[in-house]
Amino acid sequence: SAVISQKPSRDICQRGTSLTIQCQVDSQVTMMFWYRQQPGQSLTLIATANQGSEATYESGFVIDKFPISRPNLTFSTLTVSNMSPEDSSIYLCSVVGGRGGNTIYFGEGSWLTVV
Amino acid sequence: KQEVTQIPAALSVPEGENLVLNCSFTDSAIYNLQWFRQDPGKGLTSLLLIQSSQREQTSGRLNASLDKSSGRSTLYIAASQPGDSATYLCAVSQAGTALIFGKGTTLSVSS
Repeated sequence: SAVISQKPSRDICQRGTSLTIQCQVDSQVTMMFWYRQQPGQSLTLIATANQGSEATYESGFVIDKFPISRPNLTFSTLTVSNMSPEDSSIYLCSVVGGRGGNTIYFGEGSWLTVV
Repeated sequence: KQEVTQIPAALSVPEGENLVLNCSFTDSAIYNLQWFRQDPGKGLTSLLLIQSSQREQTSGRLNASLDKSSGRSTLYIAASQPGDSATYLCAVSQAGTALIFGKGTTLSVSS
């Protein structure tokens, strides 16, 4: 299994500011993802964090708003830029691991409230 | 575009009941299907993973089935307990990696 640590776990942010969320994994993983869960909604994939290259973004998400870094195989960051109340969500880091390399693990999530 | 639907959206049962949660997906070309549990204020916990070639998986009081041709999966919970109260999410993978989630079923088990 993979143990994922996310920071911060919760934060209250001012409108117009940016916040960076960190995701640390206890083992090297090839695939890392960032999801968003808006209030009352299911999880939506933001992007795949690629080690050593630019992240791959899903439709509706852009690098200027959600810049992602992945400097190595155990760490990634997601920045939520120029936040508005609509960005109030849970942001979750996810990795692929397990014995067969096909189990997906999630961090505890970062709960952001934008005021 | 793959879409995942879960019904019911919410379910309340007394302790001890057996129950079934339903999940359907529009594109049967999936790699695997996974059931998760999400507790309030917590992240996701993986419950069961079913590969596309499998029909079911069991873990304790939980049994998940998969009918890929009809685009359906069910999660069966036997002898429900108050500690089972949570939101249950169904998700499919089409590329063996990123998941597409349903909106979840919020279960409340009363003692």
